[in-house]
Amino acid sequence: AQKVTQAQTEISVVEKEDVTLDCVYETRDTTYYLFWYKQPPSGELVFLIRRNSFDEQNEISGRYSWNFQKSTSSFNFTITASQVVDSAVYFCALTPGGYNKLIFGAGTRLAVHP
Amino acid sequence: DTGVSQNPRHKITKRGQNVTFRCDPISEHNRLYWYRQTLGQGPEFLTYFQNEAQLEKSRLLSDRFSAERPKGSFSTLEIQRTEQGDSAMYLCASTPGQSYNEQFFGPGTRLTVL
Repeated sequence: AQKVTQAQTEISVVEKEDVTLDCVYETRDTTYYLFWYKQPPSGELVFLIRRNSFDEQNEISGRYSWNFQKSTSSFNFTITASQVVDSAVYFCALTPGGYNKLIFGAGTRLAVHP
Repeated sequence: DTGVSQNPRHKITKRGQNVTFRCDPISEHNRLYWYRQTLGQGPEFLTYFQNEAQLEKSRLLSDRFSAERPKGSFSTLEIQRTEQGDSAMYLCASTPGQSYNEQFFGPGTRLTVL
């Protein structure tokens, strides 16, 4: 089965706190791609990152970082020093090799309070 | 460079009526996707086109749903004899080249069936 699980439905933090959003995926394919998207209140999905299954190197982009671990089938997303503008729903998604679609998790709603 | 556009942004209809949505992808993108998102869930794949050819349809796409992409440019999604369960956000996305590329999403069409 191809599946993405985001166990955290909602997270609430105070500005400047660090927060980690969890993502666990299932696939039998050895080649696959993982994504994170942000959906702000305006509703439009915004691409954040793509990772392929052969590249387990962690990535940092400004306040955002991603930890990809094949051993635990996880692709977690950390926001350092969160800001109110980070408030949104965040989706983790999977494209198994040979598939032509994104398989999304249910999303994690992040609320950052001043 | 304009992004993916969708019209209308909102549609309210009565049960049993037909509705049609339009998606204009980014001009050089040959792949176009339709997803459906219900409240509190991640987007679910409906169908995708490569140029004008519809190459895959989800089992979610009942025979009341039809999608077209004439000339490989804009796409339309029609729902016939709408039901209350069709109420959702309908998202369109486009991407150049391969399926593992980033998908660029439009703002969506929110359908409410009364």
